[in-house]
Amino acid sequence: KNEVEQSPQNLTAQEGEFITINCSYSVGISALHWLQQHPGGGIVSLFMLSSGKKKHGRLIATINIQEKHSSLHITASHPRDSAVYICAVTGNQFYFGTGTSLTVIP
Amino acid sequence: EAQVTQNPRYLITVTGKKLTVTCSQNMNHEYMSWYRQDPGLGLRQIYYSMNVEVTDKGDVPEGYKVSRKEKRNFPLILESPSPNQTSLYFCASSLWTSSYNEQFFGPGTRLTVL
Repeated sequence: KNEVEQSPQNLTAQEGEFITINCSYSVGISALHWLQQHPGGGIVSLFMLSSGKKKHGRLIATINIQEKHSSLHITASHPRDSAVYICAVTGNQFYFGTGTSLTVIP
Repeated sequence: EAQVTQNPRYLITVTGKKLTVTCSQNMNHEYMSWYRQDPGLGLRQIYYSMNVEVTDKGDVPEGYKVSRKEKRNFPLILESPSPNQTSLYFCASSLWTSSYNEQFFGPGTRLTVL
């Protein structure tokens, strides 16, 4: 069973490109999270959203509750954006996608 | 500094030898949780706790125990570890309201069971 599906699994981009990572989910949720995991393993929360759109710097996250879909966009990508991006949804429990591994080439 | 700490960070052990991984947070968060991360499977929730003395099973609780006697601590106990519990483990905590539950993650514990 996969409550959360992410695509693509792997993504390679040239520096400066606009990047989109998609997340679809099949369960009822109270919130959706986008997480970033760097090669060292540490995980940080980028966004938590339950409706609409949020923006932090070059990162934008959107969610469509009716379609059970979210996207994470990175504008003007940079090599330091290289990481695994993980979508997670929550009621009381957390369910995670398997992550999108992003590599940005200079 | 607000943080979630885990100890140990790395552990190699043998099958059947009981072990405990500690988790502590200094943010007065109600919600605490344990996850394991495996290649190809991503993060999966083991147990979570909504508050002191309240714990619930996540997706993969078999072979694990937890306790929540104090708000700040949420240890993960493997009574009889087996090789299939070799994994990277994360503890996390958050406030828990209907509109806010951003998770703060610990640094991870890499466990190898021989």
